[in-house]
Amino acid sequence: DGGITQSPKYLFRKEGQNVTLSCEQNLNHDAMYWYRQDPGQGLRLIYYSQIVNDFQKGDIAEGYSVSREKKESFPLTVTSAQKNPTAFYLCATRAGSYGYTFGSGTRLTVV
Amino acid sequence: DQQVKQNSPSLSVQEGRISILNCDYTNSMFDYFLWYKKYPAEGPTFLISISSIKDKNEDGRFTVFLNKSAKHLSLHIVPSQPGDSAVYFCAKASGAGSYQLTFGKGTKLSVIP
Repeated sequence: DGGITQSPKYLFRKEGQNVTLSCEQNLNHDAMYWYRQDPGQGLRLIYYSQIVNDFQKGDIAEGYSVSREKKESFPLTVTSAQKNPTAFYLCATRAGSYGYTFGSGTRLTVV
Repeated sequence: DQQVKQNSPSLSVQEGRISILNCDYTNSMFDYFLWYKKYPAEGPTFLISISSIKDKNEDGRFTVFLNKSAKHLSLHIVPSQPGDSAVYFCAKASGAGSYQLTFGKGTKLSVIP
């Protein structure tokens, strides 16, 4: 059964710590995306990757980093430089032109 | 500058009636629009799309209308059902190459039984 797995569902982080959010897909899609959702803000693009070993910054990349060492995985690291990291993070893949598939998300809370 | 605007944060509709969700956009060379539905603590799911060469696309209870002169699109849900209660996002595709989507802020639809 193909899909996108984001783990964990809920994540708590202390201020000043880095944390990595996992995104794994078995859809064999080349392109992968990370979005952030805040209340009343819609979805904003953090980073995206169209091919292995290549990625580009989105609209709000500051304080985040990614890697794309294999097709199936696109982890997102929220660094201590991200001033307001508490949010709902969504990973997505794309097949063809505009066929985005989203994961179920990770809720990150800074405590 | 918001490329995609959903000016109504929320909408309440009686079950069985029509729900109309609106979206305004700034123009680009190539326009392709999508509507996504999202439940709390879940990822968005694709609902319906329309390209700029059309002015209407229909899929069951869902119809999207595109008014290019007004730079406006709308999603009609008829008849509305309680299970339609969710946040609806309008999204616009960027030009060819990156296939990036720019999302509006969403409209929360509540269908009242």
